[in-house]
Amino acid sequence: QQQVKQSPQSLIVQKGGIPIINCAYENTAFDYFPWYQQFPGKGPALLIAIRPDVSEKKEGRFTISFNKSAKQFSLHIMDSQPGDSATYFCAATYTGRRALTFGSGTRLQVQP
Amino acid sequence: DGGITQSPKYLFRKEGQNVTLSCEQNLNHDAMYWYRQDPGQGLRLIYYSQIVNDFQKGDIAEGYSVSREKKESFPLTVTSAQKNPTAFYLCATDGGVNEQFFGPGTRLTVL
Repeated sequence: QQQVKQSPQSLIVQKGGIPIINCAYENTAFDYFPWYQQFPGKGPALLIAIRPDVSEKKEGRFTISFNKSAKQFSLHIMDSQPGDSATYFCAATYTGRRALTFGSGTRLQVQP
Repeated sequence: DGGITQSPKYLFRKEGQNVTLSCEQNLNHDAMYWYRQDPGQGLRLIYYSQIVNDFQKGDIAEGYSVSREKKESFPLTVTSAQKNPTAFYLCATDGGVNEQFFGPGTRLTVL
């Protein structure tokens, strides 16, 4: 029940494309859903996060879409750039737990 | 990474050795975490501590130990009981609003 399933494992898009990364969860107690970006050899950095009281959140070129009934959420990267090439992780937790449960990661490559 | 330091960046361990990974933070955060990252997998929680002198096991605590004697420090010891310790180890903190900040990581390799 603590699992977060992430897909696809890897993704290649052309510059300017809109990669979409999907995550699904089972635990209905989860109430905080962040996305992290990680470059090789570095620690992950928080990109954007959402709570289930909204269906969408945008920050710059990054958008989270959230479907509470389907227990799914996704990350969209608008106008993707080669500098966005990284591994992206979704995660989830619930109030009182604090520790995050991570998806398995998506390796994104944006070709020039 | 800012505010969280991990050392060393690379660590090599011989079979049967215990090694200790350092994590220090100057963010004044109460909670600290250790995660393990393996290729093609997400981060898995080893141990976490919400206050000084208190810590809890995560999902994969076997073969690891921690201490939290100071708010700023949360060292992780990888013991000889951990049979497959080669991985990238990440320390994180949070200030109580769910957002976790990660350190730069330590890559441990067993020779």
